[in-house]
Amino acid sequence: AQRVTQPEKLLSVFKGAPVELKCNYSYSGSPELFWYVQYSRQRLQLLLRHISRESIKGFTADLNKGETSFHLKKPFAQEEDSAMYYCALGGSARQLTFGSGTQLTVLP
Amino acid sequence: GAVVSQHPSRVICKSGTSVKIECRSLDFQATTMFWYRQFPKQSLMLMATSNEGSKATYEQGVEKDKFLINHASLTLSTLTVTSAHPEDSSFYICSALGQDNQPQHFGDGTRLSIL
Repeated sequence: AQRVTQPEKLLSVFKGAPVELKCNYSYSGSPELFWYVQYSRQRLQLLLRHISRESIKGFTADLNKGETSFHLKKPFAQEEDSAMYYCALGGSARQLTFGSGTQLTVLP
Repeated sequence: GAVVSQHPSRVICKSGTSVKIECRSLDFQATTMFWYRQFPKQSLMLMATSNEGSKATYEQGVEKDKFLINHASLTLSTLTVTSAHPEDSSFYICSALGQDNQPQHFGDGTRLSIL
């Protein structure tokens, strides 16, 4: 069965500090991992997907198959990064299994 | 970028009524659409996968007679909550998938409140 775990419901950091949002997954096949972000009163939008290996808004995420992790990182957090972040795992039918989400607050 | 429109954004109705929610892909053809439900302070839970021209595939525990899904065209899927009751109150979100390898694009969601 597919499962995504985000252990932190809430995470607060100060502006300029590094931030890491944790995500672990369980999947028997070859995983496809995503990070979605939801800013206040906005729709869910894609931030990153592991196959593109991009850096979006300064965020990066590396798939670690050995640790079954896909942690999201940013070296210097900004106040506008405050949002709800969801890690998601793509299935064989391209459906998504979401983690429970982490609410990131970047303090001034 | 790809846009998914969901309507209505909010609906309040009496117990026992049926409510239809529409999900449209505005600038691409969506062969597959997904319906999710989100409870307060919880994650999105996949309810069903809707493929154009065929029956929807429901996740375990989701009543197909309760949540009717129709995907009659490549740009429209509808979710009808039949004979809604207060426990059906929730935030319903759709997403759409094109024919290429693009990721899912999400609608704004529908806040359903059953009195």
